[in-house]
Amino acid sequence: DQQVKQNSPSLSVQEGRISILNCDYTNSMFDYFLWYKKYPAEGPTFLISISSIKDKNEDGRFTVFLNKSAKHLSLHIVPSQPGDSAVYFCAASYSGNTPLVFGKGTRLSVIA
Amino acid sequence: DAGVIQSPRHEVTEMGQEVTLRCKPISGHNSLFWYRQTMMRGLELLIYFNNNVPIDDSGMPEDRFSAKMPNASFSTLKIQPSEPRDSAVYFCASSFPKTLNTEAFFGQGTRLTVV
Repeated sequence: DQQVKQNSPSLSVQEGRISILNCDYTNSMFDYFLWYKKYPAEGPTFLISISSIKDKNEDGRFTVFLNKSAKHLSLHIVPSQPGDSAVYFCAASYSGNTPLVFGKGTRLSVIA
Repeated sequence: DAGVIQSPRHEVTEMGQEVTLRCKPISGHNSLFWYRQTMMRGLELLIYFNNNVPIDDSGMPEDRFSAKMPNASFSTLKIQPSEPRDSAVYFCASSFPKTLNTEAFFGQGTRLTVV
């Protein structure tokens, strides 16, 4: 049973436009959420995170939004660049530094 | 720091053979995780250690899988005997909880192919 779901396996966006990647979770105990980025033949790398006490966290071109009532989070990339093309994983954990639970990933293609 | 180091990067083996994957976590990190990535299941946790002690191995698929962490700087994941359905990318990750929540740092993975 998937506790973290990324329902879009892939997404294509034009360079300069906004990319929006979505993630849903089922476990209400989760209170810390992360996005990882993965290039081919490399390990996932941490991108941005958000605690459940916030509803938004911004870092440069990347913003994560959290809607706790809907158990939904999203990653916005503005403006999208070709180098952003990668697989993006949503992950969640709960207090006590428990292991991260990952979604299956969304492959983002940014077209020049 | 060199980051999390995994070896080998690629492994091709015949069904029935023993396979050992190795991981060196980031120095000072006290949590270590083994994940497996497949198309069907995405990134799934196999086992994790805190301070070299296995905490949760409920993700280990079968008794054919075993993991050890003899010291803070080394861990192994062993599959014996290996089967074609074990073919996947295996990632090791480590973390150090400076605060209550922290991210995990991943190695580059070992791509295992069992023929």
